[in-house]
Amino acid sequence: DTGVSQDPRHKITKRGQNVTFRCDPISEHNRLYWYRQTLGQGPEFLTYFQNEAQLEKSRLLSDRFSAERPKGSFSTLEIQRTEQGDSAMYLCASSAAQGNEKLFFGSGTQLSVL
Amino acid sequence: AQKITQTQPGMFVQEKEAVTLDCTYDTSDQSYGLFWYKQPSSGEMIFLIYQGSYDEQNATEGRYSLNFQKARKSANLVISASQLGDSAMYFCAMREQGGYNKLIFGAGTRLAVHP
Repeated sequence: DTGVSQDPRHKITKRGQNVTFRCDPISEHNRLYWYRQTLGQGPEFLTYFQNEAQLEKSRLLSDRFSAERPKGSFSTLEIQRTEQGDSAMYLCASSAAQGNEKLFFGSGTQLSVL
Repeated sequence: AQKITQTQPGMFVQEKEAVTLDCTYDTSDQSYGLFWYKQPSSGEMIFLIYQGSYDEQNATEGRYSLNFQKARKSANLVISASQLGDSAMYFCAMREQGGYNKLIFGAGTRLAVHP
């Protein structure tokens, strides 16, 4: 029984570079979420997928950010032209379809933009 | 807009004692859900306990219980018999109305358990 997997765990990049993160949810979960967490803060919602459809995007998700979930399985989050303000922990979570089902989180990808 | 407030940036507790972590929320929805998550230094968010707004009894999960006071809009987490492994960040979160589990999180409380 595997949980939510995220890769890589850590990413260091130079400002202006593109980065891509991957999330593998729990296999039977059709809902997938991306959150961003900065130091000393709680996670902030970025986007939500139900199966392969991206149903909501936060205003935090600028046009430099794009997320996909092809075939409703794994998801990728890409950040283009990274900025120092993008440095944060990016958390992926998944849940089943029931209304009050809890979210299962991965260990996150810590991004540092130099 | 929905909001979660955790007013305790840090808490200390002696091993084997009980500790209460505060959480207040603001919502105009009648139906909502409240969650507590634990985040150890490894970074993973670990689900602890859930309380639905229509649940009449306070939720309990092992050493964790949720002191739900609906009129006061508070959902405090009580950890009984603290253990050294309980040292972590603790986040209160609320499920927004909308049919899926989008959560709004508070800023968290760092708990340190001393031997």
